[in-house]
Amino acid sequence: GAVVSQHPSRVICKSGTSVKIECRSLDFQATTMFWYRQFPKKSLMLMATSNEGSKATYEQGVEKDKFLINHASLTLSTLTVTSAHPEDSSFYICSAREAGKEHQPQHFGDGTRLSIL
Amino acid sequence: GQNIDQPTEMTATEGAIVQINCTYQTSGFNGLFWYQQHAGEAPTFLSYNVLDGLEEKGRFSSFLSRSKGYSYLLLKELQMKDSASYLCAVEDSNYQLIWGAGTKLIIKP
Repeated sequence: GAVVSQHPSRVICKSGTSVKIECRSLDFQATTMFWYRQFPKKSLMLMATSNEGSKATYEQGVEKDKFLINHASLTLSTLTVTSAHPEDSSFYICSAREAGKEHQPQHFGDGTRLSIL
Repeated sequence: GQNIDQPTEMTATEGAIVQINCTYQTSGFNGLFWYQQHAGEAPTFLSYNVLDGLEEKGRFSSFLSRSKGYSYLLLKELQMKDSASYLCAVEDSNYQLIWGAGTKLIIKP
């Protein structure tokens, strides 16, 4: 089945550090990848939609300069949290949809737990 | 606006049956998904409905009524491992997923 690999699974770092999270589709091509954020006991919040070869589409209220997204290939999207602060601590999850299969479920990575001290 | 409603929390007994409801109002409809999410983990896909009716998958079934904007997830023969949050999500006319807040299901022995 379709597998999405997300790395790292956990990051603990000091305030002001920039953190890069990778999302890879291992056995399929993903023209679209999605980045979510989830606070404890809350539902998924879509941050941005990442499109291969073009700029990401950010949801209202999400700072583009704060959360940099790059989707350079059909199998890799990255999210960089720039100059992270404690309020950026959260569970970040990526998902990918196989190209041309909009009715298929999104396949999720295992998530990255980010803790900023 | 777009809206997905599902109960915040439900409690059921091991071995019993539970039904988790979801109502939605979205701009367009291209299908409804149910996901299971254990605490601290990413969601895992359970079911997909795009036509009216019941889809059965082992102990789990999902029902859809497009005219009523309504779906439910039915879990039979509940096991302790079924304790999790269950997320309802609707794919709108732009194929974007609109997520419900999730229903936390607590299974008691």
